[in-house]
Amino acid sequence: EDQVTQSPEALRLQEGESSSLNCSYTVSGLRGLFWYRQDPGKGPEFLFTLYSAGEEKEKERLKATLTKKESFLHITAPKPEDSATYLCAVQAFGTSYGKLTFGQGTILTVHP
Amino acid sequence: NAGVTQTPKFQVLKTGQSMTLQCAQDMNHEYMSWYRQDPGMGLRLIHYSVGAGITDQGEVPNGYNVSRSTTEDFPLRLLSAAPSQTSVYFCATGVSVANTGELFFGEGSRLTVL
Repeated sequence: EDQVTQSPEALRLQEGESSSLNCSYTVSGLRGLFWYRQDPGKGPEFLFTLYSAGEEKEKERLKATLTKKESFLHITAPKPEDSATYLCAVQAFGTSYGKLTFGQGTILTVHP
Repeated sequence: NAGVTQTPKFQVLKTGQSMTLQCAQDMNHEYMSWYRQDPGMGLRLIHYSVGAGITDQGEVPNGYNVSRSTTEDFPLRLLSAAPSQTSVYFCATGVSVANTGELFFGEGSRLTVL
């Protein structure tokens, strides 16, 4: 069974204080790993797709990296508008198309 | 361009009542799906569709029915609501079957079953 565990559950940062969120996964064969951002009362918004170990993707202050067992979402010099819940999901080879297994998310709060 | 539209945004039901959550998309996406989100459980796939006339079960399908008669619409039916179905429901669409990891979500429908 595919499993995704995110840590920490919640993270509080001061504006400008860089940090990382962790996503550990167990799948039979990784087709893709995805990061989403979710604002309160909204649906998740797609951020990145990573397909193979060593791959990196960047968007503004966010950088996602992937190893064979985990992914990190690095946040550099965060701003209050980066506050949100960040979700990690995996898709395995051999599963039905579109079946993503999501982690429980990390709630990020950035204080001014 | 509205994207993914879900209605209603909020609903309160009594145990045993039935209802339909609506999902409409204007992006011509092949793939459509329903997830539920519960505290501490993450998002879980209920049902999905890879095109008009084609549906399949996800991880937690019991108590829910779906149909896909058009590309645009993918309603989720609760046959006999139970308190365990209290949740936030999200409809999500994808550009193509081969690219379904990148999903576009609606804003959610918050359902309470008393």
